[in-house]
Amino acid sequence: AQSVTQPDIHITVSEGASLELRCNYSYGATPYLFWYVQSPGQGLQLLLKYFSGDTLVQGIKGFEAEFKRSQSSFNLRKPSVHWSDAAEYFCAVGPNDYKLSFGAGTTVTVRA
Amino acid sequence: NAGVTQTPKFQVLKTGQSMTLQCAQDMNHEYMSWYRQDPGMGLRLIHYSVGAGITDQGEVPNGYNVSRSTTEDFPLRLLSAAPSQTSVYFCASRNRGFSGELFFGEGSRLTVL
Repeated sequence: AQSVTQPDIHITVSEGASLELRCNYSYGATPYLFWYVQSPGQGLQLLLKYFSGDTLVQGIKGFEAEFKRSQSSFNLRKPSVHWSDAAEYFCAVGPNDYKLSFGAGTTVTVRA
Repeated sequence: NAGVTQTPKFQVLKTGQSMTLQCAQDMNHEYMSWYRQDPGMGLRLIHYSVGAGITDQGEVPNGYNVSRSTTEDFPLRLLSAAPSQTSVYFCASRNRGFSGELFFGEGSRLTVL
């Protein structure tokens, strides 16, 4: 069975500071990995995805994530946070790109 | 281009009532799915469909029915609502091929009293 753990329920970061969101997964084979973002009252939007190849993937809005097989992790990073990055972030894993298991999410608050 | 449209956005039901959450997409996507979102639990897959006439169960299918008679529509039916089905429901679709991106609707908030 596949599962995702996002250890941080809530993170507060200052505008302009760096951000890292943790994601650990459990899956028996090479996983498909995703990060989605949800703004209040909205559906989810894909930030980035990893299927194979280069373990450092670039996404939209200046986000990147690194796949580390040895640590079963897929952490999301952004060098400099903007106030518009305040949202809830979900890591997801699956055997393909549609039967996904989502983590519980990390809420990011950006302070001025 | 409307994308994925869900109706209604809000609904209150009494225990035992039935209702249907509607989902329509205008992107000619083959794959459609329903998720429920509960606090502290992320999104959980209820049912999905890989094309018209084909549906399958996800992680939490009990208490829900689906059908896929057209490519555009994928309704979710609650036959006898229970308080445990109080949740926010999201419909998502994906296009043909290997894009890897699910397109989500804005959600339907259901409260069962």
